[in-house]
Amino acid sequence: ETGVTQSPTHLIKTRGQQVTLRCSSQSGHNTVSWYQQALGQGPQFIFQYYREEENGRGNFPPRFSGLQFPNYSSELNVNALELDDSALYLCASSLRQGEAFFGQGTRLTVV
Amino acid sequence: AQSVTQPDIHITVSEGASLELRCNYSYGATPYLFWYVQSPGQGLQLLLKYFSGDTLVQGIKGFEAEFKRSQSSFNLRKPSVHWSDAAEYFCAVPTTSGTYKYIFGTGTRLKVLA
Repeated sequence: ETGVTQSPTHLIKTRGQQVTLRCSSQSGHNTVSWYQQALGQGPQFIFQYYREEENGRGNFPPRFSGLQFPNYSSELNVNALELDDSALYLCASSLRQGEAFFGQGTRLTVV
Repeated sequence: AQSVTQPDIHITVSEGASLELRCNYSYGATPYLFWYVQSPGQGLQLLLKYFSGDTLVQGIKGFEAEFKRSQSSFNLRKPSVHWSDAAEYFCAVPTTSGTYKYIFGTGTRLKVLA
Protein backbone atom coordinates (compact mmCIF):
# COMPACT_ATOMS: atom_id res chain seq x y z
CA GLU A 1 0.00 0.00 0.00
CA THR A 2 1.58 3.26 -1.09
CA GLY A 3 1.13 6.40 0.92
CA VAL A 4 0.30 9.92 -0.20
CA THR A 5 3.05 11.45 -2.30
CA GLN A 6 3.41 15.07 -3.32
CA SER A 7 5.62 16.74 -5.88
CA PRO A 8 7.68 18.77 -6.01
CA THR A 9 8.95 18.99 -2.43
CA HIS A 10 10.17 22.54 -2.80
CA LEU A 11 9.41 25.27 -5.29
CA ILE A 12 10.38 28.91 -5.75
CA LYS A 13 8.22 31.13 -7.91
CA THR A 14 8.04 34.82 -8.72
CA ARG A 15 5.07 36.97 -7.80
CA GLY A 16 2.48 36.92 -10.59
CA GLN A 17 3.49 33.49 -11.90
CA GLN A 18 1.37 30.36 -11.89
CA VAL A 19 2.17 27.09 -10.12
CA THR A 20 0.90 23.51 -10.20
CA LEU A 21 1.35 21.13 -7.30
CA ARG A 22 0.67 17.40 -7.59
CA CYS A 23 -0.58 14.73 -5.26
CA SER A 24 -0.92 10.98 -5.63
CA SER A 25 -3.50 9.62 -3.27
CA GLN A 26 -3.18 6.49 -1.20
CA SER A 27 -4.33 3.32 -2.90
CA GLY A 28 -8.09 2.85 -2.59
CA HIS A 29 -8.83 6.44 -1.57
CA ASN A 30 -11.27 8.43 -3.71
CA THR A 31 -11.09 11.80 -1.94
CA VAL A 32 -8.30 14.35 -1.94
CA SER A 33 -8.19 17.48 0.19
CA TRP A 34 -5.70 20.32 -0.01
CA TYR A 35 -4.54 22.46 2.90
CA GLN A 36 -2.36 25.52 3.13
CA GLN A 37 -0.10 25.88 6.15
CA ALA A 38 1.48 29.28 6.56
CA LEU A 39 4.51 29.59 8.78
CA GLY A 40 3.58 29.26 12.42
CA GLN A 41 -0.04 28.36 11.68
CA GLY A 42 -2.17 25.27 11.54
CA PRO A 43 -3.25 23.91 8.17
CA GLN A 44 -6.20 25.68 6.54
CA PHE A 45 -8.61 23.83 4.26
CA ILE A 46 -8.46 24.96 0.63
CA PHE A 47 -10.80 22.51 -1.14
CA GLN A 48 -11.67 18.88 -1.56
CA TYR A 49 -12.22 16.65 -4.57
CA TYR A 50 -14.37 13.55 -4.55
CA ARG A 51 -14.61 11.40 -7.67
CA GLU A 52 -13.26 14.21 -9.86
CA GLU A 53 -15.75 16.84 -8.61
CA GLU A 54 -15.05 19.69 -6.22
CA ASN A 55 -16.73 18.78 -2.96
CA GLY A 56 -16.33 21.85 -0.81
CA ARG A 57 -14.11 24.87 -0.62
CA GLY A 58 -12.58 26.93 2.12
CA ASN A 59 -12.07 30.66 2.23
CA PHE A 60 -9.65 30.91 -0.68
CA PRO A 61 -9.98 33.05 -3.82
CA PRO A 62 -10.81 31.58 -7.24
CA ARG A 63 -7.18 31.81 -8.35
CA PHE A 64 -6.77 28.63 -6.28
CA SER A 65 -8.16 25.83 -8.40
CA GLY A 66 -7.81 22.10 -8.64
CA LEU A 67 -8.39 18.93 -10.53
CA GLN A 68 -8.84 15.30 -9.70
CA PHE A 69 -8.10 12.63 -12.24
CA PRO A 70 -9.75 9.22 -12.81
CA ASN A 71 -6.98 7.54 -10.82
CA TYR A 72 -7.86 9.96 -7.97
CA SER A 73 -4.57 11.83 -8.11
CA SER A 74 -4.95 15.58 -7.91
CA GLU A 75 -3.47 18.92 -8.82
CA LEU A 76 -3.60 22.26 -7.07
CA ASN A 77 -3.14 25.27 -9.31
CA VAL A 78 -2.51 28.78 -8.09
CA ASN A 79 -2.57 31.69 -10.53
CA ALA A 80 -1.21 35.19 -10.10
CA LEU A 81 0.96 34.21 -7.15
CA GLU A 82 1.23 36.62 -4.25
CA LEU A 83 3.89 36.79 -1.57
CA ASP A 84 1.33 35.58 1.01
CA ASP A 85 0.90 32.36 -0.94
CA SER A 86 4.26 31.26 0.42
CA ALA A 87 3.41 28.24 2.57
CA LEU A 88 3.54 24.50 2.95
CA TYR A 89 0.80 22.91 0.86
CA LEU A 90 -0.46 19.62 2.19
CA CYS A 91 -2.47 17.02 0.36
CA ALA A 92 -4.59 14.49 2.24
CA SER A 93 -6.31 11.46 0.82
CA SER A 94 -9.18 9.52 2.32
CA LEU A 95 -12.39 7.74 1.65
CA ARG A 96 -15.21 10.28 1.49
CA GLN A 97 -15.74 10.66 5.24
CA GLY A 98 -12.86 8.67 6.49
CA GLU A 99 -9.59 9.37 8.22
CA ALA A 100 -7.25 11.52 6.18
CA PHE A 101 -3.67 10.56 5.44
CA PHE A 102 -1.32 13.42 4.71
CA GLY A 103 1.58 13.72 2.33
CA GLN A 104 4.88 15.36 3.16
CA GLY A 105 3.85 18.62 1.58
CA THR A 106 5.22 21.03 -1.01
CA ARG A 107 7.03 24.07 0.29
CA LEU A 108 6.20 27.00 -1.99
CA THR A 109 8.20 30.20 -1.74
CA VAL A 110 7.01 33.24 -3.68
CA VAL A 111 9.60 35.97 -4.19
CA ALA B 1 -19.06 26.60 14.08
CA GLN B 2 -16.55 24.01 15.12
CA SER B 3 -13.23 25.25 16.44
CA VAL B 4 -10.10 23.95 18.08
CA THR B 5 -7.96 25.87 20.55
CA GLN B 6 -4.45 25.01 21.61
CA PRO B 7 -3.69 27.51 24.36
CA ASP B 8 0.05 26.90 24.51
CA ILE B 9 2.08 28.14 21.56
CA HIS B 10 5.40 26.94 22.93
CA ILE B 11 6.25 24.41 25.63
CA THR B 12 9.72 23.50 26.86
CA VAL B 13 10.38 20.39 28.91
CA SER B 14 13.46 18.52 29.99
CA GLU B 15 14.18 15.12 28.55
CA GLY B 16 12.61 12.48 30.77
CA ALA B 17 9.98 14.83 32.16
CA SER B 18 6.28 14.32 31.64
CA LEU B 19 4.34 16.26 29.04
CA GLU B 20 0.79 17.49 28.63
CA LEU B 21 -0.37 19.47 25.62
CA ARG B 22 -3.79 21.07 25.85
CA CYS B 23 -6.55 21.01 23.28
CA ASN B 24 -10.05 22.41 23.65
CA TYR B 25 -12.75 22.05 21.04
CA SER B 26 -16.08 23.57 20.26
CA TYR B 27 -18.46 21.10 18.69
CA GLY B 28 -22.16 20.43 18.77
CA ALA B 29 -22.06 16.67 19.08
CA THR B 30 -19.55 14.09 20.22
CA PRO B 31 -16.59 14.83 18.03
CA TYR B 32 -13.95 12.76 16.41
CA LEU B 33 -10.60 14.09 17.60
CA PHE B 34 -7.08 13.73 16.31
CA TRP B 35 -3.57 14.61 17.34
CA TYR B 36 -0.91 15.03 14.67
CA VAL B 37 2.81 15.66 14.94
CA GLN B 38 4.87 17.62 12.45
CA SER B 39 8.65 17.63 12.37
CA PRO B 40 10.30 20.67 10.77
CA GLY B 41 9.56 20.89 7.06
CA GLN B 42 7.58 17.66 7.12
CA GLY B 43 3.98 16.64 6.67
CA LEU B 44 1.59 15.52 9.38
CA GLN B 45 1.86 12.18 11.12
CA LEU B 46 -1.12 10.85 13.02
CA LEU B 47 -0.34 10.20 16.68
CA LEU B 48 -3.75 9.05 17.83
CA LYS B 49 -7.45 9.45 17.31
CA TYR B 50 -10.68 9.31 19.27
CA PHE B 51 -13.90 8.18 17.68
CA SER B 52 -15.95 6.76 20.52
CA GLY B 53 -15.77 4.37 23.45
CA ASP B 54 -12.91 4.43 25.92
CA THR B 55 -12.02 8.04 26.63
CA LEU B 56 -8.34 7.25 27.15
CA VAL B 57 -6.72 6.65 23.80
CA GLN B 58 -3.28 5.18 23.21
CA GLY B 59 -1.22 6.25 20.25
CA ILE B 60 2.18 5.79 18.71
CA LYS B 61 5.51 6.79 20.24
CA GLY B 62 4.18 6.35 23.77
CA PHE B 63 1.58 9.13 23.55
CA GLU B 64 -1.91 9.00 24.99
CA ALA B 65 -4.83 11.41 25.12
CA GLU B 66 -7.95 11.66 27.23
CA PHE B 67 -11.30 12.87 25.97
CA LYS B 68 -13.20 14.84 28.60
CA ARG B 69 -16.62 15.87 27.40
CA SER B 70 -17.35 17.98 30.48
CA GLN B 71 -14.27 20.10 29.80
CA SER B 72 -14.43 19.94 25.98
CA SER B 73 -10.83 18.84 26.07
CA PHE B 74 -8.61 16.24 24.45
CA ASN B 75 -5.21 16.72 26.04
CA LEU B 76 -2.15 14.85 24.82
CA ARG B 77 0.20 13.30 27.36
CA LYS B 78 3.46 11.43 27.52
CA PRO B 79 5.01 10.16 30.75
CA SER B 80 8.64 10.63 29.72
CA VAL B 81 9.69 12.86 26.85
CA HIS B 82 12.55 11.96 24.53
CA TRP B 83 14.68 14.50 22.65
CA SER B 84 13.21 13.15 19.39
CA ASP B 85 9.74 14.33 20.47
CA ALA B 86 10.72 17.92 19.72
CA ALA B 87 8.25 18.95 17.01
CA GLU B 88 4.98 20.78 16.49
CA TYR B 89 1.78 19.17 17.63
CA PHE B 90 -1.65 19.82 16.18
CA CYS B 91 -5.05 18.93 17.50
CA ALA B 92 -7.77 18.56 14.87
CA VAL B 93 -11.46 17.89 14.59
CA PRO B 94 -13.22 16.92 11.36
CA THR B 95 -16.43 18.66 10.50
CA THR B 96 -19.47 16.65 9.64
CA SER B 97 -21.67 19.43 8.28
CA GLY B 98 -21.16 19.81 4.56
CA THR B 99 -17.69 18.89 3.41
CA TYR B 100 -15.83 16.48 5.64
CA LYS B 101 -12.71 18.52 6.36
CA TYR B 102 -10.34 18.98 9.24
CA ILE B 103 -10.17 22.03 11.47
CA PHE B 104 -6.78 22.37 13.09
CA GLY B 105 -5.59 24.23 16.11
CA THR B 106 -2.72 26.66 15.73
CA GLY B 107 -0.29 24.11 17.10
CA THR B 108 2.05 23.77 20.06
CA ARG B 109 5.77 23.76 19.44
CA LEU B 110 7.60 21.45 21.83
CA LYS B 111 11.22 22.01 22.74
CA VAL B 112 13.08 19.33 24.67
CA LEU B 113 16.08 20.22 26.79
CA ALA B 114 18.86 17.66 27.13
